[in-house]
Amino acid sequence: GENVEQHPSTLSVQEGDSAVIKCTYSDSASNYFPWYKQELGKGPQLIIDIRSNVGEKKDQRIAVTLNKTAKHFSLHITETQPEDSAVYFCAASGRGGSARQLTFGSGTQLTVLP
Amino acid sequence: EAQVTQNPRYLITVTGKKLTVTCSQNMNHEYMSWYRQDPGLGLRQIYYSMNVEVTDKGDVPEGYKVSRKEKRNFPLILESPSPNQTSLYFCASKLSRESTGELFFGEGSRLTVL
Repeated sequence: GENVEQHPSTLSVQEGDSAVIKCTYSDSASNYFPWYKQELGKGPQLIIDIRSNVGEKKDQRIAVTLNKTAKHFSLHITETQPEDSAVYFCAASGRGGSARQLTFGSGTQLTVLP
Repeated sequence: EAQVTQNPRYLITVTGKKLTVTCSQNMNHEYMSWYRQDPGLGLRQIYYSMNVEVTDKGDVPEGYKVSRKEKRNFPLILESPSPNQTSLYFCASKLSRESTGELFFGEGSRLTVL
């Protein structure tokens, strides 16, 4: 099955700096890569996703890049703000409805220091 | 308001005492799933359901049961809880069984088994 590794496990940045979180996946058939943000005491929430036919996607201050050859994808947050502090999870999903669908990484605790 | 509702949010129980965590969604979603979240391990899938009366094991199904008698409800049953099932549990749903698409999470149920 799919295996997703996520690094780093914790990340501290100064407000206004950029943050980058990286994930690798094992199943070359995976074709959908979402990122979820989990604020304290809440469930994860989708912030951005990318499909395997696209190399990069942006939404305001966040962007995701995908390298299918190397089987890794990254989340980039620019101009970080205190409200960006949260746990971020990457995930990968294979084709077909019979699979277990999303496999999540182990999470990154991002802290934005004022 | 579109949401996934879990109950109870917090529960302390003792080894062997059967318990059920309920999950209900009001979005007419086809797909529902249960995850457990443990430090350093991310979100691991317990069971999922593609539709009514269709359920399947995820990555960590041992010690759990589920049922999907109605489209909106997907309860998680611990027949004989053990301390290693102490965890934060999330129910999630999405519109269809396709591998892509946003997962909507509940707020989580923190379970402690003594």
